[in-house]
Amino acid sequence: QQPVQSPQAVILREGEDAVINCSSSKALYSVHWYRQKHGEAPVFLMILLKGGEQKGHEKISASFNEKKQQSSLYLTASQLSYSGTYFCGTEQGPDSWGKLQFGAGTQVVVTP
Amino acid sequence: GAVVSQHPSRVICKSGTSVKIECRSLDFQATTMFWYRQFPKQSLMLMATSNEGSKATYEQGVEKDKFLINHASLTLSTLTVTSAHPEDSSFYICSAVHTIAGGYNEQFFGPGTRLTVL
Repeated sequence: QQPVQSPQAVILREGEDAVINCSSSKALYSVHWYRQKHGEAPVFLMILLKGGEQKGHEKISASFNEKKQQSSLYLTASQLSYSGTYFCGTEQGPDSWGKLQFGAGTQVVVTP
Repeated sequence: GAVVSQHPSRVICKSGTSVKIECRSLDFQATTMFWYRQFPKQSLMLMATSNEGSKATYEQGVEKDKFLINHASLTLSTLTVTSAHPEDSSFYICSAVHTIAGGYNEQFFGPGTRLTVL
């Protein structure tokens, strides 16, 4: 089942912060975050694992609340290069072989 | 991160022809690869799971006879769009699964193939 992402879009000025949320109605095994720029393929940002381990990407951080079945991505001191559409992908269990259900995406625009 | 290549990056073909798209994992072996299609301003729609050495698993609503998948080796999966029609025009993206310590699966995407059927 597709996770729900919010907000749909956010406009930031350079240096501002933003939070993108991803929630699921089912228990999650892992949450993956990607950023996609127009006309390009998604780029892996981060994976959050059950148990709290996470593998991150530079100045972007994220949290994973297993009880609430949700994850949040934090864009801190945003840069122009952060612009793009952010997708969360959720994995239901270890036997899913990496199969992800993707949210609808959050469009982020960072302006000078 | 791991590198996945896709070829061709763009293809334009006439209606009724077949188009083959290759997906390669360049620095790791991938037992599992996925094929997605993405329409403008929409999310990634999973089409099928490609497993090395076995038949692909297709998502509901995806015609397996139209979208032929062959996972010939641990580094190569191909998607053939047979008898392509204008409604098949889309951005096709593959991904390869890289299993990391602890048994967790990272998924890396290829650069995508933009298919235009005239």
